[in-house]
Amino acid sequence: GAVVSQHPSRVICKSGTSVKIECRSLDFQATTMFWYRQFPKQSLMLMATSNEGSKATYEQGVEKDKFLINHASLTLSTLTVTSAHPEDSSFYICSAGGGYNEQFFGPGTRLTVL
Amino acid sequence: EDQVTQSPEALRLQEGESSSLNCSYTVSGLRGLFWYRQDPGKGPEFLFTLYSAGEEKEKERLKATLTKKESFLHITAPKPEDSATYLCAVLATRSNDYKLSFGAGTTVTVRA
Repeated sequence: GAVVSQHPSRVICKSGTSVKIECRSLDFQATTMFWYRQFPKQSLMLMATSNEGSKATYEQGVEKDKFLINHASLTLSTLTVTSAHPEDSSFYICSAGGGYNEQFFGPGTRLTVL
Repeated sequence: EDQVTQSPEALRLQEGESSSLNCSYTVSGLRGLFWYRQDPGKGPEFLFTLYSAGEEKEKERLKATLTKKESFLHITAPKPEDSATYLCAVLATRSNDYKLSFGAGTTVTVRA
């Protein structure tokens, strides 16, 4: 299957700082990528759909000014958590897909906000 | 609204004890149903895609089947390395944005 990477795998930051997470599709071009967050022992919750060359589409209840998404190329999408607070601590996962076929997920980024 | 329900929530098996996981779905037209495996602290790993009722797919000790209302993931003679959370997701035909709806998952623990 396709390979998706994320960087960093873990990040610890102080409250009020911003954190950027990168998601790369390594062996295919992805016009669409997805960002999820996952709390302990819960399933994946879609945050937003990242579209190459256009604005991201956010799910209801997700603050677009807090979670900035940029999809500047066909292989890279970034999620920036601005002014992070402890309640933003979570496991963030990106995916890239083949339209109506399976999505391939990155290894995830564990964010801890102190 | 699409709904995906997985059962049981947790499953404890002895090595070699075969069992099945269930994924029931309600969607206005199924374009695809997907099974993933997720290990703790990692992203989901793709297992299978099923597109139409009656379809079956196999990979090692895993076999996925699909009906018009549900999908089963059969684990035959499981080994401890099969311990993971198994996630089911659906994609609706009306979905022009390729968004998946996930179930809550079944956590499988296989004891040696």
